[in-house]
Amino acid sequence: KAGVTQTPRYLIKTRGQQVTLSCSPISGHRSVSWYQQTPGQGLQFLFEYFSETQRNKGNFPGRFSGRQFSNSRSEMNVSTLELGDSALYLCASSLASGPYEQYFGPGTRLTVT
Amino acid sequence: KQEVTQIPAALSVPEGENLVLNCSFTDSAIYNLQWFRQDPGKGLTSLLLIQSSQREQTSGRLNASLDKSSGRSTLYIAASQPGDSATYLCAVRRETSGSRLTFGEGTQLTVNP
Repeated sequence: KAGVTQTPRYLIKTRGQQVTLSCSPISGHRSVSWYQQTPGQGLQFLFEYFSETQRNKGNFPGRFSGRQFSNSRSEMNVSTLELGDSALYLCASSLASGPYEQYFGPGTRLTVT
Repeated sequence: KQEVTQIPAALSVPEGENLVLNCSFTDSAIYNLQWFRQDPGKGLTSLLLIQSSQREQTSGRLNASLDKSSGRSTLYIAASQPGDSATYLCAVRRETSGSRLTFGEGTQLTVNP
């Protein structure tokens, strides 16, 4: 069974631009979560989508948004990029019900200059 | 607010040694706890998931224990190998938060040949 895939793997953007990251979950997984990882803050939860609806949301500004499509693929968007948005963005998928064991993708490394 | 702490932050051991990584969490109302491994610049690999009703889980040379009432979990690695060198992350899932995980800062393990 194929794992979680994320595209692109690397991105370099300039302050003020916007960016869209994509995640394809494991086949049969309907829940997709996004996390941000930085050296200073560690791994922080952004949001979770299930059945095209946001089910959970972390404590991030409205510049961070996401969506999920009917095939469970998900995208996250960051608008008006700031230097502090430079991070590894990780996507994880799981089944829709317990135990919710999450499987992570390789991540997208975003650098904002 | 759930807080997860991992001790030590870094650990260096000779090959063949048995070792224990520690994880503590402040809110005992957890659904389950997951241990992950992360290699530099990569995504997370799930090692073990332990439900709140369980005391321990084993996979090969790895054994994870959970004491929900005291807010502690340990990851025991037997007969360590250089290939075990990585950052080990502990994450807890609350009873009411779906698949959302709260992560510790991780323990960076180096196993020297």
